[in-house]
Amino acid sequence: GQNIDQPTEMTATEGAIVQINCTYQTSGFNGLFWYQQHAGEAPTFLSYNVLDGLEEKGRFSSFLSRSKGYSYLLLKELQMKDSASYLCAVRDPGGGADGLTFGKGTHLIIQP
Amino acid sequence: GAVVSQHPSRVICKSGTSVKIECRSLDFQATTMFWYRQFPKQSLMLMATSNEGSKATYEQGVEKDKFLINHASLTLSTLTVTSAHPEDSSFYICSARDGRDGRNTIYFGEGSWLTVV
Repeated sequence: GQNIDQPTEMTATEGAIVQINCTYQTSGFNGLFWYQQHAGEAPTFLSYNVLDGLEEKGRFSSFLSRSKGYSYLLLKELQMKDSASYLCAVRDPGGGADGLTFGKGTHLIIQP
Repeated sequence: GAVVSQHPSRVICKSGTSVKIECRSLDFQATTMFWYRQFPKQSLMLMATSNEGSKATYEQGVEKDKFLINHASLTLSTLTVTSAHPEDSSFYICSARDGRDGRNTIYFGEGSWLTVV
């Protein structure tokens, strides 16, 4: 079956660094996406990993280890506007018709 | 990234009426679009796949006669909630796959809040 696990909620301090982990067990794998979703809004695309290693994009970085079924999203220099849910999604040919299996999201709370 | 626009962002309708939500890909053509529903603090639930020029494909448990999907052009898909009931109140989101970057990244519309009273 398809299973994606990520923590339900995390709290971090403004200006600090936070790492959001995601583990997955899927029948196939063809890429992993991270999305940011603010309350009441649709998800916005953050990053994409298909090969092992780190992808850096400004304050956000995403890491993938296919052998471990593991990814993380790293947010640096946290700002209050980073308070949101972060969704890990795996592209799996055996997943939904959109090819994506979504985790339930990690609600990140940024404190002053 | 690609732009997907959804309209209306918020709609209130009376029980028993129908409401239409539009999803447009603004800067690329999308032969396939997707419709999701999301309840508060829950994950996205894929409802159906909208295919340009052919019938939509519905996920198990989604009533195709209640949620009518039309994909009349390469840039527009519509979802019509027919005979709406209060339990249909939810956040509806569309997405489209952009194949131009080779990653087939899924981009989402802004979402539509539906309240049935």
